[in-house]
Amino acid sequence: TQLLEQSPQFLSIQEGENLTVYCNSSSVFSSLQWYRQEPGEGPVLLVTVVTGGEVKKLKRLTFQFGDARKDSSLHITAAQPGDTGLYLCAGATGGGNKLTFGTGTQLKVEL
Amino acid sequence: DTAVSQTPKYLVTQMGNDKSIKCEQNLGHDTMYWYKQDSKKFLKIMFSYNNKELIINETVPNRFSPKSPDKAHLNLHINSLELGDSAVYFCASSQDYRPPVEQYFGPGTRLTVT
Repeated sequence: TQLLEQSPQFLSIQEGENLTVYCNSSSVFSSLQWYRQEPGEGPVLLVTVVTGGEVKKLKRLTFQFGDARKDSSLHITAAQPGDTGLYLCAGATGGGNKLTFGTGTQLKVEL
Repeated sequence: DTAVSQTPKYLVTQMGNDKSIKCEQNLGHDTMYWYKQDSKKFLKIMFSYNNKELIINETVPNRFSPKSPDKAHLNLHINSLELGDSAVYFCASSQDYRPPVEQYFGPGTRLTVT
């Protein structure tokens, strides 16, 4: 069973601060995704990374896939209250469409 | 306009009852999924269908039976509900099953078994 451990589990910061969320596993993934989930809603896809070492940027969010494709990070610059939510990483293995989701990071950005 | 919709949004029922959750997607996708999110927000796949055919069937009690009448619909029927079935159930869809699959989730159905 593949496990994706996210850290930290909870994060409460002030507006304008930077933060990094980590997603780690002992398994190799063919692709890795990040989702954000707000209360009462389903997860929304933010990004997909497929190549080891790949870096993708989405406005103030920077995503990196580890060289060995076992881990990933999400960096948010100058966090805003609208960034508040549950961040989930999800990895796919082999040629399948089954996603294994991470343990989640609950982020709260306060004014 | 809703891409992936689920009904009902909330479901409160007693142990031993049978209930169904419905899911529809209007994205023209071929593949649909059911996930269970527990109280710790851990999201786990239950089933996946591609063009009405079952392609993922995780270790789920056989009290749970998915049905896909067509590729735009995937329903979940649960027999003999137990307290441990209380969770939020999410339906999702993707263009197809070829990776990397980018999944679109519905708003969830919060099931409470008393």
